[in-house]
This record gives sequence, C-alpha cells and structure tokens, in this order.
Amino acid sequence: AQSVTQPDIHITVSEGASLELRCNYSYGATPYLFWYVQSPGQGLQLLLKYFSGDTLVQGIKGFEAEFKRSQSSFNLRKPSVHWSDAAEYFCAVRGYSSASKIIFGSGTRLSIRP
Amino acid sequence: EPEVTQTPSHQVTQMGQEVILRCVPISNHLYFYWYRQILGQKVEFLVSFYNNEISEKSEIFDDQFSVERPDGSNFTLKIRSTKLEDSAMYFCASYTGGTGELFFGEGSRLTVL
Repeated sequence: AQSVTQPDIHITVSEGASLELRCNYSYGATPYLFWYVQSPGQGLQLLLKYFSGDTLVQGIKGFEAEFKRSQSSFNLRKPSVHWSDAAEYFCAVRGYSSASKIIFGSGTRLSIRP
Repeated sequence: EPEVTQTPSHQVTQMGQEVILRCVPISNHLYFYWYRQILGQKVEFLVSFYNNEISEKSEIFDDQFSVERPDGSNFTLKIRSTKLEDSAMYFCASYTGGTGELFFGEGSRLTVL
C-alpha cells in the first residue's frame, strides 16, 4: 500500500538552530516526492520537490531535502530556523502518471523557541 | 502568479443540508483534485478529475459527494446531505500534468452543526 510516514508529530527547536524533519515512504516504485508547508488557517505551499537527478534538492525559504532510495526517505532540513518557520510541514508522494494523486503524511508541527 | 481560488472561505450549515464548494483552477491546468483536512489531521485525498470525468476517488468519496466542471472554468464539490463529520477544510488543487507543480487553493472551511 502507498503511504507516507512522518514519525515526529511535534518538534520544537530554538531559533537559529538546525532542523531536520523526517519522512519515509512506501510506494511501488520511486515516486515523485514533495514537502509542503501550511501556516495556521492557510493553504498548502510547496517548499520543494524531487522528480529525478540530484538527490539533494533545494527549495524555497532556505529549505533542502535529500532523497535516499535505500532508506525510502526524503528528510527536510534547514541549517538555521527563523521564528517565521513555525508551521505544519507535510511530506507527500505521487506516482509518475499525470493522473496520480498526491498522498500526504500526517504532518509535523514545528514550533520555534525564542 | 497564477492561483487557484476557492469560495466560500467559510460556510456554516445545518446537518442534512446540501453544500456546494466552488473552485476556479488555473486556466491551462488539466487535472483537478479535491482534498479535505479535518481539524488537526492529515490532508486526505477525495477525488481527482480529468477530461470531464472522475479519474480516481477515495473511499471517503461516497454517494453523498459529487464533482462537476459545469462551465469549463469552475470545478465544484457538492455534498448532498451533510453530516457532522463532514466538518473540515476542503482544498481544491490543479496542475498541468507531468512534472508540473500541484497548486492548492486557500481552502473552504465547512462547519456542520
């Protein structure tokens, strides 16, 4: 079955500290991979995506993610978080077919300690 | 920047009433989706729509739900007889296909009393 696991429900980090949010997926083949961010009461904004090629992808707002096929993981990282990064982060996967749906993980809520 | 727009932003309805949520996808997009997010929970797939028909639907998308693209621009989700558990944020999304980005609207919050 296709699934996305985000093992951390809630993470708190200090402003200026580094961040890593974990994501593991289960899919028939290597899917397309995404990270979305959702601020309270807002919609979903794409941070970055991986389709193929370089396994380290850069996104907006200083985020990056690394695809590791052997671990079926796509962890999100940021070297130094800002208070404005406090939000819910969703990892997601999609198949290669254009009609494939995106499947979301359960999300990780990020809080920033001043 | 192009965007997906959804109306209404918030609707309150009585249980058993019909609700129609509206979405205007980005104009050159071909694939359309509805997702829902119950408060504090994950974003769940409801239905995908392409070439004027449903491509895929989840087990959540039962007979009380329907989708329509009535005029080539709007994309609607109808809930025929709302239940308390239909209270959620409903997101519309669209994209061109292939490796294009899926754009989400800001969502329509539905509250069923």
